[in-house]
Amino acid sequence: DTAVSQTPKYLVTQMGNDKSIKCEQNLGHDTMYWYKQDSKKFLKIMFSYNNKELIINETVPNRFSPKSPDKAHLNLHINSLELGDSAVYFCASSQSWDTVYNEQFFGPGTRLTVL
Amino acid sequence: GQQLNQSPQSMFIQEGEDVSMNCTSSSIFNTWLWYKQDPGEGPVLLIALYKAGELTSNGRLTAQFGITRKDSFLNISASIPSDVGIYFCAGHFGPGAGSYQLTFGKGTKLSVIP
Repeated sequence: DTAVSQTPKYLVTQMGNDKSIKCEQNLGHDTMYWYKQDSKKFLKIMFSYNNKELIINETVPNRFSPKSPDKAHLNLHINSLELGDSAVYFCASSQSWDTVYNEQFFGPGTRLTVL
Repeated sequence: GQQLNQSPQSMFIQEGEDVSMNCTSSSIFNTWLWYKQDPGEGPVLLIALYKAGELTSNGRLTAQFGITRKDSFLNISASIPSDVGIYFCAGHFGPGAGSYQLTFGKGTKLSVIP
């Protein structure tokens, strides 16, 4: 039983293409997140959704658009991919954003390589 | 944005040795979390701390929430090869603080020599 799952695990694509990454959690959590981990392993928050509503939108290019069809799913669509988008993208979820018990559970990651 | 200073950046230790790493912040946190990331995997939560001064163990791991609420440390006793990975601290301001996300340290890369 995978708590937070992401697809695909690996994504190799050409510059300029559009791609999507999907995330699903079966923990019954209200809040989901997207993180980007660069080559130096630094984890940077990109977006957060609570019950399908956007609550965090860090400084991320407009080419990145998250979509949450329901509170168990948070997808990430990237338009016009650039070389600098190459990274590992992690989805995470937590019980709720407005509680002290904000333990976040991470998916296995999607390694995106832009050629 | 808020930064956490995590040290050391990397460690090479002999199997069986104890390990200590810490995180400091210029701001007060209400929650400290410690994660471990294995190669090719996502971070896995090890220990969560909610009260200043709290000392919590998880097997050979022990973590403490600093009294000032600006720091936390993680100890690993009697290290084994599977302890290899990157350890991250993360702080959370808590509800009502105007900030909803976790702030992560830059990680401590642990290597264990058999």
